[in-house]
Amino acid sequence: GESVGLHLPTLSVQEGDNSIINCAYSNSASDYFIWYKQESGKGPQFIIDIRSNMDKRQGQRVTVLLNKTVKHLSLQIAATQPGDSAVYFCAEVYGNNRLAFGKGNQVVVIP
Amino acid sequence: NAGVTQTPKFQVLKTGQSMTLQCAQDMNHEYMSWYRQDPGMGLRLIHYSVGAGITDQGEVPNGYNVSRSTTEDFPLRLLSAAPSQTSVYFCASRPRDSSYNSPLHFGNGTRLTVT
Repeated sequence: GESVGLHLPTLSVQEGDNSIINCAYSNSASDYFIWYKQESGKGPQFIIDIRSNMDKRQGQRVTVLLNKTVKHLSLQIAATQPGDSAVYFCAEVYGNNRLAFGKGNQVVVIP
Repeated sequence: NAGVTQTPKFQVLKTGQSMTLQCAQDMNHEYMSWYRQDPGMGLRLIHYSVGAGITDQGEVPNGYNVSRSTTEDFPLRLLSAAPSQTSVYFCASRPRDSSYNSPLHFGNGTRLTVT
């Protein structure tokens, strides 16, 4: 699938453990951040977002943390499942809705 | 709702051939865009449109044309395919409303190989 061909950093995690995926962004003026999940052969799917006036946001089994001081974003996945195996991208939104994507991280869940 | 639909899913072209990648969305989104995805790079914006009749260039527009005659459709045309255009192409859309940010909705991509 496309994700294998992208030559990405890989995080291997045991099923049931928590996963943490990190992302460094570049623009201090970015005011909105998004995490996407891309499964093999599919397009990116929205997971969770966070605005710059927040430092934490929780969804179903996922939490996004934002540290504006060091321009760092992380995605935590609780109780990782085989269906969580995918490539995860962060994206920052700045200016007039300009979007910049990170290169992505491959997550492999070991049953 | 089908969301964002891209056709074809796979395509092989010879250098110099032209073709159109199709994208349609049924969410009444004003904003539509085309990205390409290559190994070692994040998604890169080719062209985008904020509404019917309006298009603009993204980060890597050379070699591609777009048009937006309807809200639903945003085709991407390769005028004379080159091996450097071998990539996976994604179409994405979102509401245009600037009063809030909203995430892009992506299609499932077209894998293009130019030989």
